[in-house]
Amino acid sequence: DAGVIQSPRHEVTEMGQEVTLRCKPISGHNSLFWYRQTMMRGLELLIYFNNNVPIDDSGMPEDRFSAKMPNASFSTLKIQPSEPRDSAVYFCASSPGLAGETQYFGPGTRLLVL
Amino acid sequence: AQSVTQLDSHVSVSEGTPVLLRCNYSSSYSPSLFWYVQHPNKGLQLLLKYTSAATLVKGINGFEAEFKKSETSFHLTKPSAHMSDAAEYFCVVSRGGGSQGNLIFGKGTKLSVKP
Repeated sequence: DAGVIQSPRHEVTEMGQEVTLRCKPISGHNSLFWYRQTMMRGLELLIYFNNNVPIDDSGMPEDRFSAKMPNASFSTLKIQPSEPRDSAVYFCASSPGLAGETQYFGPGTRLLVL
Repeated sequence: AQSVTQLDSHVSVSEGTPVLLRCNYSSSYSPSLFWYVQHPNKGLQLLLKYTSAATLVKGINGFEAEFKKSETSFHLTKPSAHMSDAAEYFCVVSRGGGSQGNLIFGKGTKLSVKP
């Protein structure tokens, strides 16, 4: 079975542009997580979904960030408008359930906002 | 509340010598604990997981970790380091309980392996 798939793998954009990151979780997994990783702040949980419903978005930095999960096999993280401080690696992860379950990470999207 | 502390931000060992990466946790209940590894420019990969079964957990690539409740520790060890072990390692505790179980990551320990 394929692992978590993320696209694009790399994104370079200019400040003010809209950025959309995509994630396909492992088939059969009920939970999906979006993380951001930077040198300064380490790995931060942005939002997570269970059965396509957002459970906790308290990690979303501000209104410029939004995430959707229209179905069990697809999720997007959108930044509009993007800013240089959004430059980071964004990871998507999925797990079979919630409490204590192993999360399986995608390869990440490396975002650079100029 | 649950938390995890990785005691060293950077550990350097010589190839063939033992590895010890230290982790302490805080949890108000019996936690699930994990170690993940991240190689440069890669995603995170699960090394091993503790879920209240055996206190000594064996993982991939020769790594193991011992859960010590009295010390609230979950240190990661390997008898003999290999060059390919150079990576960043994250100790993780499951939030669990009523908060639906998302993971809390430590700040990471970067392992360097010298020839």
